[in-house]
Amino acid sequence: QSALTQPASVSGSRGQSITISCTGTSSDVGGYNYVSWYQQHPDRAPKVMIYDVSNRPSGVSNRFSGSKSGNTASLTISGLQAEDEADYYCSSYASSRTYVFGTGTKVTVL
Amino acid sequence: QITLKESGPTVVRPTQTLTLTCTFSGFSLTTSGVGVGWIRQTPEKALECLGIIYWNDEKRYSPSLKNRLTFTKDTSKNQVVLTMTDMDPVDTATYFCAHKVLSYSYFDPWGQGTLVTVSS
Repeated sequence: QSALTQPASVSGSRGQSITISCTGTSSDVGGYNYVSWYQQHPDRAPKVMIYDVSNRPSGVSNRFSGSKSGNTASLTISGLQAEDEADYYCSSYASSRTYVFGTGTKVTVL
Repeated sequence: QITLKESGPTVVRPTQTLTLTCTFSGFSLTTSGVGVGWIRQTPEKALECLGIIYWNDEKRYSPSLKNRLTFTKDTSKNQVVLTMTDMDPVDTATYFCAHKVLSYSYFDPWGQGTLVTVSS
């Protein structure tokens, strides 16, 4: 199984919205509604922000939202804030019965 | 509150076997549906799921690493052990363990991670 494809970097000004894409195949993203998104700050462990494509765990801001179309999932961060600057990774359940991660996207808040 | 912590060697020689221990609290691996996953992150920051071990001793390994990986659990100690054979410099990474529930498609929370360097 190959890593899911994400843009290396995305930037936006405070208050703006950005969208990060995550492209896989029919064996992972396209085949299951089990896409999750993780936020990782420097020297910290990843933290789940979205699961099952569009669900937010308790405590995660509603500025984070997720969607999926075909083999591509997306994470949208609205009302961008300084604390949103981090690396973001998508993940999907795969036909191998494990999980595959995305290549990661560095979000910069201008 | 669920916590996990990885422990093991910081340096491993090429061809050696790596053994890492994940010690957790706040949940039990005797509870139906509960599991512990292993994920590693390379210095280039790529994440890779190594696999998951569940309460019923079901193990799911990464297809690319299944011949080198073994997961075991010790429920009395609240520990899960990862063994990876034939280590290579490309296996240099931070290794994380994380709580997983079978019916949930995500890992949460994660341990702090432990950096393992493969070098002679």
